[in-house]
Amino acid sequence: DQQVKQNSPSLSVQEGRISILNCDYTNSMFDYFLWYKKYPAEGPTFLISISSIKDKNEDGRFTVFLNKSAKHLSLHIVPSQPGDSAVYFCAAKSERSGGYQKVTFGTGTKLQVIP
Amino acid sequence: EPEVTQTPSHQVTQMGQEVILRCVPISNHLYFYWYRQILGQKVEFLVSFYNNEISEKSEIFDDQFSVERPDGSNFTLKIRSTKLEDSAMYFCASSEVRQGGGYTFGSGTRLTVV
Repeated sequence: DQQVKQNSPSLSVQEGRISILNCDYTNSMFDYFLWYKKYPAEGPTFLISISSIKDKNEDGRFTVFLNKSAKHLSLHIVPSQPGDSAVYFCAAKSERSGGYQKVTFGTGTKLQVIP
Repeated sequence: EPEVTQTPSHQVTQMGQEVILRCVPISNHLYFYWYRQILGQKVEFLVSFYNNEISEKSEIFDDQFSVERPDGSNFTLKIRSTKLEDSAMYFCASSEVRQGGGYTFGSGTRLTVV
């Protein structure tokens, strides 16, 4: 039951360039989308989120774009830095379904930023 | 910055033994969660807990699993009779009651069942 899909398991980008991580979802009930970053031996760290009523949210070097009709979102990191090298998880939740806000994660994309 | 604390960081146990994984969520958070990640796989939802009861659980969270908030600070996950396939990183998380908020995850407990 892959409700949140990240089709690229890995991505390599040169330092200073843009990193674009993609995510697709199937559940129309999702109304919040989140990106988490995970380093080895650490828990996922919340990065940025976007509500389904928006199509863009920006926070510093990180921008998330949402295309509801295509059920697609992407995370842009610009400029990419070596410290951004990590696994990035796309995640989604439905706040309409209850207050406990269960989050469904994608399989992750391993980003490597090459100095 | 407030943290979610998990202990132990690594637990090795024999198949069939009981294990208890411990978590201290952020003090003003009201929702608590357990997730797990089998090596190389995605982060999977196990259970959510609110107001001293389970809000939702996944198919993974069968009768071998239980959660408890024994006092005002700890949140525990018990596996009664561990199986080899329970080997994974187990992450505790907590969240506030607000829209759009992300969880705060702990660093995880690596459970190895031998």
